[in-house]
Amino acid sequence: KAGVTQTPRYLIKTRGQQVTLSCSPISGHRSVSWYQQTPGQGLQFLFEYFSETQRNKGNFPGRFSGRQFSNSRSEMNVSTLELGDSALYLCASSLGGVELEAGELFFGEGSRLTVL
Amino acid sequence: GNSVTQMEGPVTLSEEAFLTINCTYTATGYPSLFWYVQYPGEGLQLLLKATKADDKGSNKGFEATYRKETTSFHLEKGSVQVSDSAVYFCALRTSGTYKYIFGTGTRLKVLA
Repeated sequence: KAGVTQTPRYLIKTRGQQVTLSCSPISGHRSVSWYQQTPGQGLQFLFEYFSETQRNKGNFPGRFSGRQFSNSRSEMNVSTLELGDSALYLCASSLGGVELEAGELFFGEGSRLTVL
Repeated sequence: GNSVTQMEGPVTLSEEAFLTINCTYTATGYPSLFWYVQYPGEGLQLLLKATKADDKGSNKGFEATYRKETTSFHLEKGSVQVSDSAVYFCALRTSGTYKYIFGTGTRLKVLA
């Protein structure tokens, strides 16, 4: 069973540009979450999608957005990049039914974004 | 709001030493608690979990007990190996939501 796949793995952008990151969840998983990981802040929750709807949102500015497609694949977009957006962006998938299972997250290896 | 506090790292131990990584939480309701591990260059993977008070999660020699009275979920292992070197994250998920709160992570380095 294939794991969570994130693309691209590494990318370098300059301030003011925008970036789109992609995540393909494990087959059958309907929930996709995004996290920003930095050395000082640990993992910060960005948002979570289930069946193409944003179900939860973290405390990030509107420059950070996402969407989920009918096949459960998800993308996140960051516009007007700032130096502080440099981070490892992790995607996690899960079955999505909060009442059905204890909610294990399966993480991808991440997309490492460097903003110059 | 909900939060997770982990002990600061790095933690450096000799092989076969006893490991404790402290984790305390603040949450409304009855959260589920997790420990995730991140090996170098990889994403996080679930190590163990507990869904209600007094539950003990265990895996690969690691254990953690859900203590509601002290709002803690400390990670322990009786004898660490070099291969346990990684970053360990404590996390909670409040019931009825799919939003996880992670601690800042504790880096463990085990020396041969």
